[in-house]
Order: sequence, then C-alpha cells, then structure tokens
Amino acid sequence: KNEVEQSPQNLTAQEGEFITINCSYSVGISALHWLQQHPGGGIVSLFMLSSGKKKHGRLIATINIQEKHSSLHITASHPRDSAVYICAVGVTSGSRLTFGEGTQLTVNP
Amino acid sequence: ETGVTQTPRHLVMGMTNKKSLKCEQHLGHNAMYWYKQSAKKPLELMFVYSLEERVENNSVPSRFSPECPNSSHLFLHLHTLQPEDSALYLCASSPRLSSYNSPLHFGNGTRLTVT
Repeated sequence: KNEVEQSPQNLTAQEGEFITINCSYSVGISALHWLQQHPGGGIVSLFMLSSGKKKHGRLIATINIQEKHSSLHITASHPRDSAVYICAVGVTSGSRLTFGEGTQLTVNP
Repeated sequence: ETGVTQTPRHLVMGMTNKKSLKCEQHLGHNAMYWYKQSAKKPLELMFVYSLEERVENNSVPSRFSPECPNSSHLFLHLHTLQPEDSALYLCASSPRLSSYNSPLHFGNGTRLTVT
C-alpha cells in the first residue's frame, strides 16, 4: 500500500463543474504539495501547505493534519484544467517527497 | 518557461547506445534532482545533489550515471539500458535541500524510449 493514496484515479467533468480531488497519507508530514502535470510532461507546483487552506485563483487546497487528509478543489472548471494532479508529502527526515499515483482529470466543453 | 530546461525532449536509443540527458536551471537553486516517471506509477526519486555533491542515490542501477559539474547543470549519462528503462525522466530543483518544505521546480522532462 502506497503511503500516499489519491482518489479518484480518473475523473471526467463538464465545463463549469466543481471538482474535488482527495489525498490521504499514512505518515507524519511537515508539508503537502499539490502538483499539476500537463500532457507534455512538465510538472508545475500548485500549492505547498502544512495547515489550513490556501487559494489561488480557481484552485483551493485544504489539509487536515489530524485526519491525514488533503483536498484540491477546482471551481468553475475549464477544459484547460485537464491534467494529472499529483499529491506529494514531505516528512521531516530526509530530503525526499513521497508521491501519489496522480488523478487524471478531463474537463469536457 | 519553467526555469528548469531539459534536453532533449524525446530520445530513442538502442540498448547498446550511450547517451546523456541534460538539465539546466538558472534559478539560483542549490539542490537538483532526477526523477523517473513510468506509466501508471508514482514519481521515483533517482538522485539528489546539493551544492554539486551527491547526497542520495536511491538504489539506481549503475547503467544510470549522474553528473553535477556545477550548481546550475545536471546530467544523467545512460549506457546499456533495458527496454524497461523507457520512461519520462524529470529534472527538478529547489532552493535548498529539504524539499519537504521547499517547492520543487520541474523541467518538462525527457521522454526516453529504449528499443
């Protein structure tokens, strides 16, 4: 079992829908990252958070440290949001991140 | 423009070839990373460099050989690869070594196919 589990694995939505992607982890962490990977392969860091909530444009990330759970929300989704969304956690020891398998999001016009 | 540039974008090589992947960053970051991304699998950390010194080698086969000549450049030298090594190879950098609390900046990756 992966230390970082994402759900769903695949998600298809209609333009304008509110989207939620979930991430659960089983280790103690110092920070959680949400990343976006477009079909070309490049990865962009969306959020890094260790508590509470962060918002950037139509994207909102929340984390509940006690429940070891984070969510990424997209409001008013658009076809250009279609990508793979990856959750990654960093623990206090070492220099590595542990990655989830990613959620493939497709937003249809 | 991600700030981290990888070349080539695509590479096809035979099992007996020798090739190199290149990564360059001008963000002033001190740490650089090589990741492997295979289909349907999470990203796997391969190597970590901090200030040009290798600090982590994650049990990677010797047919992969990293080189970090300075803090802005990172290479991955490839020789006698296997077809199962076909994957997307991603380079990343971060301001400092502890990436758990420091955002990673990724390149666009090199799509490697071994025939």
